[in-house]
Amino acid sequence: EADIYQTPRYLVIGTGKKITLECSQTMGHDKMYWYQQDPGMELHLIHYSYGVNSTEKGDLSSESTVSRIRTEHFPLTLESARPSHTSQYLCASSSEQGAYEQYFGPGTRLTVT
Amino acid sequence: KNQVEQSPQSLIILEGKNCTLQCNYTVSPFSNLRWYKQDTGRGPVSLTIMTFSENTKSNGRYTATLDADTKQSSLHITASQLSDSASYICVVSDRGSTLGRLYFGRGTQLTVWP
Repeated sequence: EADIYQTPRYLVIGTGKKITLECSQTMGHDKMYWYQQDPGMELHLIHYSYGVNSTEKGDLSSESTVSRIRTEHFPLTLESARPSHTSQYLCASSSEQGAYEQYFGPGTRLTVT
Repeated sequence: KNQVEQSPQSLIILEGKNCTLQCNYTVSPFSNLRWYKQDTGRGPVSLTIMTFSENTKSNGRYTATLDADTKQSSLHITASQLSDSASYICVVSDRGSTLGRLYFGRGTQLTVWP
């Protein structure tokens, strides 16, 4: 089991609220990623980071933002949640030696009412 | 357009039976292909990773094959168990990118019945 953690696992929140999804890894990996996954659909990369103070947008446009102040921590923030943000959010990390192996967290299931 | 297509979309088999899942891709250039298992409500877990020069790799009851010429891969599950019920995702990585860009299939949802 990979040492990558996400909290909360499930979140139901009202429209307009600000939320932060937490992701932490204890493997010392430089690269971290956020994916969005809807039921029965493929994962879409929404943010990634090469290391501290590095953040980039992924392939899927997202209204969320991320920060990377510490190597082990890569939180994702939604300033104003909307029903269209309802989805599963998966965090992953990989070592500098290769993007071969990405280790995924358990995911956060977000529902915006 | 770089794509990863998986078939079947879903599959139901009886416990103890074998099954084979298919993956076709158009990703180019090609770096590696990996199969992940994703249990419901969990993150994907890597089963196998194959580079261009590898055409078969096993992990317990899971055996993956790769034909880089035809851009096809398969995942064979032997003597299925109830715990094999999950979504199996094929992921292809391209070359020439420092990020190691990943292209995900939509997965095959496998259900194993007792």
